[in-house]
Amino acid sequence: GQQLNQSPQSMFIQEGEDVSMNCTSSSIFNTWLWYKQDPGEGPVLLIALYKAGELTSNGRLTAQFGITRKDSFLNISASIPSDVGIYFCAGQRDNYGQNFVFGPGTRLSVLP
Amino acid sequence: GAVVSQHPSRVICKSGTSVKIECRSLDFQATTMFWYRQFPKKSLMLMATSNEGSKATYEQGVEKDKFLINHASLTLSTLTVTSAHPEDSSFYICSARDLVDIPYEQYFGPGTRLTVT
Repeated sequence: GQQLNQSPQSMFIQEGEDVSMNCTSSSIFNTWLWYKQDPGEGPVLLIALYKAGELTSNGRLTAQFGITRKDSFLNISASIPSDVGIYFCAGQRDNYGQNFVFGPGTRLSVLP
Repeated sequence: GAVVSQHPSRVICKSGTSVKIECRSLDFQATTMFWYRQFPKKSLMLMATSNEGSKATYEQGVEKDKFLINHASLTLSTLTVTSAHPEDSSFYICSARDLVDIPYEQYFGPGTRLTVT
């Protein structure tokens, strides 16, 4: 089946540092989405990417849809304590919500 | 923004009983809702896709007689865990797709933590 890989699995950074994480797949996806999940909560959509090569920002977050359509990265600039959580990438092969696959997540810890 | 609610947020039940979890889209209509299961420190695993007015589509390995899904309206889907056992304890999350949203992003509920004793 379709698999997404995320790296790193976890990371510890100092407050104020920039963060970069990525998501790769052996399959092509038409949409890449990045979600953040806080403990005991459902995922919250951060950024959605719909075109290969697309670079989109949402505040301190920037994400790019890889040109091969098999990868995406998420950057967080000037991290703050509330950035702590699990970041999931998700790939969607069509625009109808089917074949929606989650990556295993990157767990981010921010040290004061 | 699109809001999805789940009820209850937490439930503890005894082994052998059934538990119903509700998923509602509060400010939009959802022809399709999705049910996920998440184990501690793991990713979300799709269990089934729920379509309004028709039978749910279950992922491979998910027992449809154990996890009953009903999607009776454009704003409500329910997941019933029948004859629950301790191994059914998990975090269950639903998501909904907006009928008119293009290109059909999924909005997630806050999750329901089920503990079977």
